[in-house]
Amino acid sequence: AQRVTQPEKLLSVFKGAPVELKCNYSYSGSPELFWYVQYSRQRLQLLLRHISRESIKGFTADLNKGETSFHLKKPFAQEEDSAMYYCALDRGSTLGRLYFGRGTQLTVWP
Amino acid sequence: GAVVSQHPSWVICKSGTSVKIECRSLDFQATTMFWYRQFPKQSLMLMATSNEGSKATYEQGVEKDKFLINHASLTLSTLTVTSAHPEDSSFYICSARPSSGGTEAFFGQGTRLTVV
Repeated sequence: AQRVTQPEKLLSVFKGAPVELKCNYSYSGSPELFWYVQYSRQRLQLLLRHISRESIKGFTADLNKGETSFHLKKPFAQEEDSAMYYCALDRGSTLGRLYFGRGTQLTVWP
Repeated sequence: GAVVSQHPSWVICKSGTSVKIECRSLDFQATTMFWYRQFPKQSLMLMATSNEGSKATYEQGVEKDKFLINHASLTLSTLTVTSAHPEDSSFYICSARPSSGGTEAFFGQGTRLTVV
């Protein structure tokens, strides 16, 4: 079985401060990891996936297989980053079939 | 970008009745769609994988007779909540992965179901 753990339900930082949203996973195979974001009153949208190794809106995430982690980081948070962030795992057996963590509500104060 | 639309966005139904929720991929074809359930202030829980032209695959603990899924075309999957009860009240979200490839799934806006 698989599990995605996001230890922080709520996270608050001030504008310009660094932010790190934690995600740990457990799965015996080689999963694909994603970060999805949900802004207020909007649908869920993809932010990052580990295989692309890209930076979106200043966010990066590195897959650490040894620690089974996929933490999301941004060096300087902006007010518009306030949203709900979900870490998700795809086992790879059926692409697009996602198992989500509970989510972290990020609030960036001015 | 790829758009997935759910209809209705919200629905209220009486206990004991059935309600159907549609999930459409508007500008792409999707052999596979997915249904999730989200409780208030909680995460998305995968309910089932909807496969075009074949039976849906349900996650452990999800009642297939309660949540009927039909994927009759490459752009439409439906979720029917049968004999709804107040505990079925929830936010139901679908996603679709383009048949053309890629691993990204695109999400609908969700359907708020309230059973009274």
